[in-house]
Amino acid sequence: GAGVSQTPSNKVTEKGKYVELRCDPISGHTALYWYRQSLGQGPEFLIYFQGTGAADDSGLPNDRFFAVRPEGSVSTLKIQRTERGDSAVYLCASSDLRLTSGVNEQFFGPGTRLTVL
Amino acid sequence: DQQVKQNSPSLSVQEGRISILNCDYTNSMFDYFLWYKKYPAEGPTFLISISSIKDKNEDGRFTVFLNKSAKHLSLHIVPSQPGDSAVYFCAATGNTPLVFGKGTRLSVIA
Repeated sequence: GAGVSQTPSNKVTEKGKYVELRCDPISGHTALYWYRQSLGQGPEFLIYFQGTGAADDSGLPNDRFFAVRPEGSVSTLKIQRTERGDSAVYLCASSDLRLTSGVNEQFFGPGTRLTVL
Repeated sequence: DQQVKQNSPSLSVQEGRISILNCDYTNSMFDYFLWYKKYPAEGPTFLISISSIKDKNEDGRFTVFLNKSAKHLSLHIVPSQPGDSAVYFCAATGNTPLVFGKGTRLSVIA
């Protein structure tokens, strides 16, 4: 597909469980971002990858959250010992930082709605 | 402490009239501002942006105005169409991750 895809679209889990959320960025995009959007809020930055490495993980709320991008394309956001407060829509975005226009236009996926019971 | 504020959670406008969405920011290091539009069950889509070296950027029916001294920007949509009904997010960056406001829900009434 041409856009950013995220799976699953919905995930319901129980408190204390482990979850993985997947993001497939636009082919060729070097930068990948994860955001979390809680109800009534705007997207909140979690982590940014440039290629395979995490260039900025300052938004991860605690060490229960971890993300990988082993081959510089698909990324997985991993949440251990989930808590009810983790319930939110997790958004992934990608951009092509090789562009010289200076506009870092990020293309967002539809998100994964995580519900922790 | 919110660095990007959209103080109006919702706005209703009649079709054909102008919609004005406002955004204020507190961080003077921000030098690039973006507006995103979001429909239900979809991710935000980029609409228009402006660099801090400009005070206006226009793209079709959409114009963004930036007042740096007031740390204020606004998005004007004219004429408004029913398909413009969505949540609009203001975002800012200054060589940092994007910081988003809480969004304004625009309803364009036919």
